[in-house]
Amino acid sequence: EAGVTQFPSHSVIEKGQTVTLRCDPISGHDNLYWYRRVMGKEIKFLLHFVKESKQDESGMPNNRFLAERTGGTYSTLKVQPAELEDSGVYFCASRDSGAYGYTFGSGTRLTVV
Amino acid sequence: ILNVEQSPQSLHVQEGDSTNFTCSFPSSNFYALHWYRWETAKSPEALFVMTLNGDEKKKGRISATLNTKEGYSYLYIKGSQPEDSATYLCATFSGGYNKLIFGAGTRLAVHP
Repeated sequence: EAGVTQFPSHSVIEKGQTVTLRCDPISGHDNLYWYRRVMGKEIKFLLHFVKESKQDESGMPNNRFLAERTGGTYSTLKVQPAELEDSGVYFCASRDSGAYGYTFGSGTRLTVV
Repeated sequence: ILNVEQSPQSLHVQEGDSTNFTCSFPSSNFYALHWYRWETAKSPEALFVMTLNGDEKKKGRISATLNTKEGYSYLYIKGSQPEDSATYLCATFSGGYNKLIFGAGTRLAVHP
């Protein structure tokens, strides 16, 4: 089966610009997660979707971050306007309900200059 | 606040050496512990998911143990190879199965 796909793999943008990250989960996985790793620190939870509904967005840093999952398939994470501290690797993961294991994408490395 | 601690932060070993890392986590409200292997620009690869106290799991030269009562897990690599070089991450659930809390990882470098 295809894994979790993230696009783009890298993005370099200027402070104040907008960037949209995309995640395609494993087909049939209702649970979709966004995580972020800022340079040298732990991977941290951002939010969790079940199908198209946000179940937990307690990890979203501020209102410059907007996540959507229209139709319960792919998800987008938009950062607007981007700040320098938003730089890091953004991971998406999906999980089949009833299973413990997550499948992660390879991440989007975002650099804000 | 749930903290997951990993040690050491980084490790350099010679090819053929055996090595181990530690993951410490709060023992209360334990659900499961995950070990991942992560190479930069690749997906974190799931190694083990462990749920029961005393669990021992093995995958090739890599094995892991779990002690939920005292809140720690060990990951062992026997006969390290250069291709084992990666960051090894552990994570546990917080308040259910929908939020993983990660440690900062142990970066392993295996030198030929």
